[in-house]
Amino acid sequence: AQSVTQLGSHVSVSEGALVLLRCNYSSSVPPYLFWYVQYPNQGLQLLLKYTSAATLVKGINGFEAEFKKSETSFHLTKPSAHMSDAAEYFCAVSANTGGFKTIFGAGTRLFVKA
Amino acid sequence: DAMVIQNPRYQVTQFGKPVTLSCSQTLNHNVMYWYQQKSSQAPKLLFHYYDKDFNNEADTPDNFQSRRPNTSFCFLDIRSPGLGDAAMYLCATSRDMGQRGETQYFGPGTRLLVL
Repeated sequence: AQSVTQLGSHVSVSEGALVLLRCNYSSSVPPYLFWYVQYPNQGLQLLLKYTSAATLVKGINGFEAEFKKSETSFHLTKPSAHMSDAAEYFCAVSANTGGFKTIFGAGTRLFVKA
Repeated sequence: DAMVIQNPRYQVTQFGKPVTLSCSQTLNHNVMYWYQQKSSQAPKLLFHYYDKDFNNEADTPDNFQSRRPNTSFCFLDIRSPGLGDAAMYLCATSRDMGQRGETQYFGPGTRLLVL
């Protein structure tokens, strides 16, 4: 079975600073990996996903993530944080061994300081 | 715009009083999911439909039921809500079950309060 671990339940950055949200996965077969964002009182929205093509994946709102098989990681980055990036971010994995169900991490809440 | 719609956005019910949450989609997707999300936690899958095929998660309480009368609509029935069932309920859809890394499209959620 696959699993996802997000390191840090809360991350705080200053506006304009680098955003780095960490995600490590466990899967015995090649996984599909996702980052979703959730704004307060809203559903989740896909930021980006890895589907075994390019290891560096670019998403919406200037976010990107790099799949590193050797480190079993899929960290999310953005060069310069905006106030509007404040939200909850979920890393997720799906794979054949889990019937392709999507397993979500516990989430990381991003705070952006002015 | 194609989307996933959930009604109502907020639902208040009494302890033990049955409640139904609804979800509709205009994406014509095969799969519809119901998740329960408690404060500051990951969404927890309750069940999903692949077309008319219902799939219940092993740890979903019997108190939770679902209906999918057609492609567009899916309902979550909570037969006897307890205080522990207060949560955000998220409906999501996907074209398929994820064999090609399918994206899930989420509705805005229904926040359930149990008094």
